[in-house]
Amino acid sequence: QSVLTQPPSASGTPGQRVAISCSGGSSNIGSNIVSWYQHIPGTAPKLLVYGENQRPSGVPDRFSGSKSGTSASLGISGLQSEDEADYYCAAWDDSLYSRVFGGGTKLAVL
Amino acid sequence: EVQLVESGGGLVKPGGSLRLSCAASGFTFSSHTINWVRHAPGKGLEWVSSINSDGGYIYYRESVGGRFTISRDNAKNSLYLEMNSLRAEDTAVYYCVRDTTNVARRSGMDVWGPGTTVIVSS
Repeated sequence: QSVLTQPPSASGTPGQRVAISCSGGSSNIGSNIVSWYQHIPGTAPKLLVYGENQRPSGVPDRFSGSKSGTSASLGISGLQSEDEADYYCAAWDDSLYSRVFGGGTKLAVL
Repeated sequence: EVQLVESGGGLVKPGGSLRLSCAASGFTFSSHTINWVRHAPGKGLEWVSSINSDGGYIYYRESVGGRFTISRDNAKNSLYLEMNSLRAEDTAVYYCVRDTTNVARRSGMDVWGPGTTVIVSS
């Protein structure tokens, strides 16, 4: 059972916008920044968004992050087939003295 | 090129030990918190441990505390993970991962190595 809660799956059609939610608590999302990762099994995960919607160079602005209270969301606009992957949220937890991940959301592009 | 490369994975029997290494290049290694993150077959990503820039702050997930030891050598641009009393549930790909800053609660993890595979089985 993960400290951060994500839906196990999401889906969309090419060109559509999808949002993936991440729910936590006051000791993690409520106090610290949230980061989002894309993971295609067999490859290294990739940082998409962190903090106040910061993106590493090379990450398209189709990916965006937002946070409100103890919840966060990753938005993917202009969905493409290559966006099919597992997506994870993460944050530092001040009570556990640990970085915690969500359980992951498998995104299907139909 | 900014890069992290892990080594040291392999097949080990339950109760055995293994030492993972991570070689960094292309950036100022001594300015960043570095982590170990693992991915077990069929499961999600799991943070294992982190060490801040000078090694003064070290954290572990509860399930590995007392069994794993993280360390770094800034002169050699290297990170290590000593793993003892290994269990089947430690089987995973282990990634060496850089924080964007030296403050984990204000960082994302932006540079990932290709990973090294640890299999714990008799």
